[in-house]
Amino acid sequence: GAVVSQHPSWVICKSGTSVKIECRSLDFQATTMFWYRQFPKQSLMLMATSNEGSKATYEQGVEKDKFLINHASLTLSTLTVTSAHPEDSSFYICSAGPAGSSYEQYFGPGTRLTVT
Amino acid sequence: RKEVEQDPGPFNVPEGATVAFNCTYSNSASQSFFWYRQDCRKEPKLLMSVYSSGNEDGRFTAQLNRASQYISLLIRDSKLSDSATYLCVTFNTNAGKSTFGDGTTLTVKP
Repeated sequence: GAVVSQHPSWVICKSGTSVKIECRSLDFQATTMFWYRQFPKQSLMLMATSNEGSKATYEQGVEKDKFLINHASLTLSTLTVTSAHPEDSSFYICSAGPAGSSYEQYFGPGTRLTVT
Repeated sequence: RKEVEQDPGPFNVPEGATVAFNCTYSNSASQSFFWYRQDCRKEPKLLMSVYSSGNEDGRFTAQLNRASQYISLLIRDSKLSDSATYLCVTFNTNAGKSTFGDGTTLTVKP
């Protein structure tokens, strides 16, 4: 089956620093990748849709200047949390779908971010 | 009101029990429907797609009622390994994105 990886799997950073999270599709090409955030005991909330070669589409309430998304190739999307604050501590999960599939999604293992 | 609503749970059942989860969605533009399973501190994994005709995969049966905008998941002969959070998910093809319910937590006890 399709495999999506994320790196790092967990990260602890100090308030005010930036953190980059990578999402890779390992055995398929993904024109679209999705970035989600999940707080404890809550469901996944879509932050943005990352489109290869174009700007990401952000959901309402998500600051594009704080959560920078780059989808430079068909197998890699990155999410950078800029000037992180403790309230940004969360579980960040990406998903990707094979090119040509409108709904099939495979999730990465997630990145647990803790901002101190 | 949330776009996808699920039974709040938690469900605590003995091994061998049959348990049913319900889910309703409000966006009539939703075109595809899924149940995902999420273990603690892990990513969601697709359990099964849901069709109007109903579909079964072993001990799991999913059903979709488009008229009522209602989705269900039935688990028969529960196993300890079924303990997890079950997420109801809709996909809007036009918008190109998924919406997740808050999940229902199931604990199967010996």
